[in-house]
Amino acid sequence: NAGVTQTPKFRILKIGQSMTLQCTQDMNHNYMYWYRQDPGMGLKLIYYSVGAGITDKGEVPNGYNVSRSTTEDFPLRLELAAPSQTSVYFCASRNRATGANVLTFGAGSRLTVL
Amino acid sequence: EDQVTQSPEALRLQEGESSSLNCSYTVSGLRGLFWYRQDPGKGPEFLFTLYSAGEEKEKERLKATLTKKESFLHITAPKPEDSATYLCAVRLTQGGSEKLVFGKGTKLTVNP
Repeated sequence: NAGVTQTPKFRILKIGQSMTLQCTQDMNHNYMYWYRQDPGMGLKLIYYSVGAGITDKGEVPNGYNVSRSTTEDFPLRLELAAPSQTSVYFCASRNRATGANVLTFGAGSRLTVL
Repeated sequence: EDQVTQSPEALRLQEGESSSLNCSYTVSGLRGLFWYRQDPGKGPEFLFTLYSAGEEKEKERLKATLTKKESFLHITAPKPEDSATYLCAVRLTQGGSEKLVFGKGTKLTVNP
């Protein structure tokens, strides 16, 4: 199994550009999450989803959008990129049946906004 | 406010030199404390879950313990391959929904 796959691994954007970070999991997990990790800071939750068609905001949702049309995919959309969105983004998933927040993370997408 | 505080921020050990990492939390109604390991350029990898004070979990050279206010990750006779950033997270209920709050991590370097 591939687990959680994120693309791209690296991306440089100009201020005002838009892009989508892709996330796919092949574990049939119900729950999926997007976190951002800034240097010296803890992971912050951007958006999460408890199943296809259901999404909700986390701690830092401003400037981002998500969709969950299938169980496998949970893309994160950045509209009008700003330097404050420079960060490493992690997608994660878990199975509701485990009853615990044992998250499986992707390898991350490093985004720089100049 | 900081609900999860990890210390120290960075720790350098010699191979074989045992030590402990600390994770203190100020949340009520803890619904689980989690330890993750993160290698450079990779996503965090799950290590342990602890639910109640007095609980302990072990895996190779690592042992995690939990009290009512903090958790320790004890590293016995570490090896260079134990070098990583160790993240602590607590699960709590806020506004009717559950959330996972992460600490900033402790970067461990084990020198040969």
